Amino acid sequence: GAVVSQHPSWVICKSGTSVKIECRSLDFQATTMFWYRQFPKQSLMLMATSNEGSKATYEQGVEKDKFLINHASLTLSTLTVTSAHPEDSSFYICSGMGGASGRGETQYFGPGTRLLVL
Amino acid sequence: LAKTTQPISMDSYEGQEVNITCSHNNIATNDYITWYQQFPSQGPRFIIQGYKTKVTNEVASLFIPADRKSSTLSLPRVSLSDTAVYYCLVGDGRNDYKLSFGAGTTVTVRA
Repeated sequence: GAVVSQHPSWVICKSGTSVKIECRSLDFQATTMFWYRQFPKQSLMLMATSNEGSKATYEQGVEKDKFLINHASLTLSTLTVTSAHPEDSSFYICSGMGGASGRGETQYFGPGTRLLVL
Repeated sequence: LAKTTQPISMDSYEGQEVNITCSHNNIATNDYITWYQQFPSQGPRFIIQGYKTKVTNEVASLFIPADRKSSTLSLPRVSLSDTAVYYCLVGDGRNDYKLSFGAGTTVTVRA
């Protein structure tokens, strides 16, 4: 149980184009989803938190107009990298968190999406 | 967010038990402790979660002392495939359960 998928698993795009990454919770309802970015040899950095049906909350330094997040349903969140540039090339990972289980809120992570901007 | 401190790296051999200790001195009353494993180019995989005392599942055990200022992840009889980065995290219930990833512990298992 607690499976999260991401699509696509990797994407190459030209500078200036937009890329959409989907994150789906397959066997649970994710009331909250998180988006992270990970550069090579570094740890995960939280970009934003999104709750179903409401606007995402972005971490300091993350441009909300550049990284558009939509959490339209309890099983789907999307991250759109707008006007991508080479410095946006990274590994993007989402996680989903369901309702309170009485054992603490646990995040379950997707497999990640590798983005390369040329 | 509660900060955690863990060793940067650990080496082990196949069949040995690996224990990774994590410090979280400013853990709050409602916070849970969660450990994840990450392989290169993959998302973190949930290993175990606990609040206090000891928790055991099919892959690991988590020991948490009474003061909860530290925790120890125990991996029994590791194999080469356990080579990965292990993250200790404290979920902050007051802050949407956001997780702040540190550098993690790189565990290398040798034959």
